[in-house]
Amino acid sequence: QVQLVQSGAEVKKPGASVKVSCKASGYTFTNFIITWVRQAPGQGLEWMGWIRPSSDSTNYVQRLQGRVTMAADTSTSTAYMELRSLRSDDTAVYYCARVSGRILTDYYIRQYYFDYWGQGTLVTVSS
Amino acid sequence: SYELTQPPSVSVSPGQTASITCSGDKLGHKYASWYQQKPGQSPVVVIYQNNKRPSGIPERFSGSNSGNTATLTISGTQAIDEADYYCQAWDTSSWVFGGGTELTVL
Repeated sequence: QVQLVQSGAEVKKPGASVKVSCKASGYTFTNFIITWVRQAPGQGLEWMGWIRPSSDSTNYVQRLQGRVTMAADTSTSTAYMELRSLRSDDTAVYYCARVSGRILTDYYIRQYYFDYWGQGTLVTVSS
Repeated sequence: SYELTQPPSVSVSPGQTASITCSGDKLGHKYASWYQQKPGQSPVVVIYQNNKRPSGIPERFSGSNSGNTATLTISGTQAIDEADYYCQAWDTSSWVFGGGTELTVL
């Protein structure tokens, strides 16, 4: 069965960096895109970006460009999300999710959805 | 940037039909997905590509999408359906979520 298992909770000071991991199992890691979504306390879901493990292609939401990096290690079927220059409003639960496809043309991407999710990783930014 | 608008809350009596809307410019030209999230849990997709149900999702969940509005309908709503629901669509290189709707079954 498909599983995405994320690393544990983190507490960071403002200005620091955090790296969250997402280990995939139960499917061929390179056949699907991995995406990251965060949720601030009591707030809605915010899409952050994706990575296609087979090519290391990435796409980040504009407001996080320059602070976020997504990577994938195909040898361990693990995806990573690093967020730098942390601020208090980065405090959130960070989720990885598998995207239902891997072809990156707009015709296909628009049909995709997030079919499996990790359990979430709470990142707290506090001085 | 593209925006999806949902009502903050919807209430329904057990056994009745709940409808949750999601509005966006020409949303009917896109594919809408819906996610259910219960407190302390990760989201779960309940509808994808406007009206398709993943395996394991009860038949009482259905979806439609036309014009500027996508709608998630829950027929014969049960107490276990009480949750937050989010719509989602793809627009110009970004996935966008609606703000979420809290469904209360009372």
